[in-house]
Amino acid sequence: ETGVTQTPRHLVMGMTNKKSLKCEQHLGHNAMYWYKQSAKKPLELMFVYNFKEQTENNSVPSRFSPECPNSSHLFLHLHTLQPEDSALYLCASSQALAGETNEQFFGPGTRLTVL
Amino acid sequence: AQKITQTQPGMFVQEKEAVTLDCTYDTSDQSYGLFWYKQPSSGEMIFLIYQGSYDEQNATEGRYSLNFQKARKSANLVISASQLGDSAMYFCAMREAGGSYIPTFGRGTSLIVHP
Repeated sequence: ETGVTQTPRHLVMGMTNKKSLKCEQHLGHNAMYWYKQSAKKPLELMFVYNFKEQTENNSVPSRFSPECPNSSHLFLHLHTLQPEDSALYLCASSQALAGETNEQFFGPGTRLTVL
Repeated sequence: AQKITQTQPGMFVQEKEAVTLDCTYDTSDQSYGLFWYKQPSSGEMIFLIYQGSYDEQNATEGRYSLNFQKARKSANLVISASQLGDSAMYFCAMREAGGSYIPTFGRGTSLIVHP
């Protein structure tokens, strides 16, 4: 595997379900990000981890719970979601957080539908 | 105020012709980086090109070039010899040293290449 992978690619869940999104990067990067992309809206940064430490929580509701056990893996735990949470969830990584030259590498995303 | 502005929600271009996608940015930092990403319908964001604020020459990567006009705070993406596979959403983004390097994305421009 190379680059950034995300599983599952598609997820349909009810509002009472609990599920987790997984992201894995094989690039040796130290910073990882979760983004939400809804139709007709700009890309929304949700969480940022730098060397496994959360450095940014962009006022995300508590029904989204991130976990970063190591620099290569990032999870997004979901529970009691709302239909408006339906979106494409993108994971990204970069060599480091600091530094204006660090481009991000994105995974293919998880298309989430909340019924 | 928006830090990244992409004024063209949609653009059309004939195959083999060149197209320019606009991006203006707002920052008071002296040190920042500008990025362009491509997002095909599959969802994955693909890094295309980077321009640093101190770079004196416009960045180029194959058919992609960046028309960087620092005084006007614009960083337009030029795609030469458009191909059908260039049809996608294109996002401009910025990292600022003063913004803790958290990337900021524009709303994107949808490009459709006609045969």
